[in-house]
Amino acid sequence: SYELTQPPSVSVSPGQTARITCSGDVLPNYYVHWYQQKPGQAPVLVIYEDSKRPSGIPERFFGSTSGTMATLTISGAQVEDESDYFCFSIDSSGNLCVFGGGTKLTVL
Amino acid sequence: QVQLVQSGAEVKEPGASVNVSCKASGYTFTDYYLHWVRQAPGQGLEWMGRINPHSGDTSFAQKFQGRVTLTRDTSITTAYMDLTRLTSDDSAVYYCARDNKGGLRAYGAPFYWGQGSLITVSS
Repeated sequence: SYELTQPPSVSVSPGQTARITCSGDVLPNYYVHWYQQKPGQAPVLVIYEDSKRPSGIPERFFGSTSGTMATLTISGAQVEDESDYFCFSIDSSGNLCVFGGGTKLTVL
Repeated sequence: QVQLVQSGAEVKEPGASVNVSCKASGYTFTDYYLHWVRQAPGQGLEWMGRINPHSGDTSFAQKFQGRVTLTRDTSITTAYMDLTRLTSDDSAVYYCARDNKGGLRAYGAPFYWGQGSLITVSS
C-alpha cells in the first residue's frame, strides 16, 4: 500500500528553524496538508494545499513542496511548537487519503 | 460555529461490532465530506474513509474494506461509522472530521474535528 514517509523525530533549540519532511511517489500530483497534534488533543491543520496557512496559524509555519517531497518549516521554533506533526495527502489510486507516519518535534 | 459531537467511549469484546456517531452542527451538513480517522494508543493517525453526506457515497482505505460501513442521516445531520469483527488492534480513539472544502470539492483535508471516541477492545 502507498505510504507517506516522515522522519520519526526532529529536534531543535528554541529560535532555530525546524524542518519536517514528507515523501511520497505521487506527491507531485496532489496537495499536501500538515497537522499539529498535542497529547490528548485532536489534530490541528497548520498548512493546507501545500503552503497555505489557516486563519490563526502563526506565520512561522511555512509549507513547501519539491518533486516527491513536501517540507513543513517552522522558523524560529518555540517551545509551544513541540508536538507531533503529520502530513496528509492522496494515495496512488487518486481517490483515497493517507497520513504520514508522524514526526515528533522536540524544542529544547 | 462548526461542531462535531461524537458518541462516548465504549468497551467491546473481540469479534463484536461498534457504532460511533458524529452529530454535526453549525454548517450545511450535505456540503462537506466527512472523514473518519483513528489513532491507536501511542501511534499515528490513520485515515479510515470518507462519506459524501449528500449522496451517501463512500471511500475506504484498503485495510478497512469489508469491515467498515459509513452512513449518514441527513434529517438529523449525523454520520455513523460501523466497524465489525473487532480485535485488540482496533482499540483506538476514533475521530470524525469535516473537510475544509465546501461544495464537495475534491482533494480537501479534515479541518474541524470531533472530540474523539475511545473504543477499547478487550475480553
